[in-house]
Amino acid sequence: DSGVTQTPKHLITATGQRVTLRCSPRSGDLSVYWYQQSLDQGLQFLIHYYNGEERAKGNILERFSAQQFPDLHSELNLSSLELGDSALYFCASSVVGDYGYTFGSGTRLTVV
Amino acid sequence: AQKITQTQPGMFVQEKEAVTLDCTYDTSDPSYGLFWYKQPSSGEMIFLIYQGSYDQQNATEGRYSLNFQKARKSANLVISASQLGDSAMYFCAMREGYTDKLIFGTGTRLQVFP
Repeated sequence: DSGVTQTPKHLITATGQRVTLRCSPRSGDLSVYWYQQSLDQGLQFLIHYYNGEERAKGNILERFSAQQFPDLHSELNLSSLELGDSALYFCASSVVGDYGYTFGSGTRLTVV
Repeated sequence: AQKITQTQPGMFVQEKEAVTLDCTYDTSDPSYGLFWYKQPSSGEMIFLIYQGSYDQQNATEGRYSLNFQKARKSANLVISASQLGDSAMYFCAMREGYTDKLIFGTGTRLQVFP
């Protein structure tokens, strides 16, 4: 167990639907990062939150949004899902200034 | 723009032998960090080793060592005494200083055979 918890582990949904992926960071980590891993795009950075505030955005579609709550858990919301959104979505956490990034086990999203 | 290049899509190594996985990077930042992660077939990302741009010595973690050649902008991972359980995808990554995000290479699939 890495200490970063992602739920659900697997998700199958239909095109056009909306889903929410959840991440609980390692205890003490203030930063949460979301990554998407797909066969064609590889591992892509989506967004970074630090202590509830958005710090950086990467290749995140407008249909996707995220937030980090006061208890530091984070949610990634994916809407109007398309087949191409099928991917493994990772959450990672870190203490800013520390070099360690700890990844969760990922949520495998399949859009049918 | 910052970039990580892994030119070996796949590598084979015999059990107990050493193997080197290549990684080159491109950045104009003087301060950066380089990482290697292992992704087994189960999908999780496992941190292996870290090298800071100002570190004088090559990083080592058990059977993993990082051959850091700053002038050549390379950060190759060396796995000594390969084990069957080392079969996995290996990703090289660089921390972008401004955003603190990780930029990943395309990965190398390592297969260890008996």
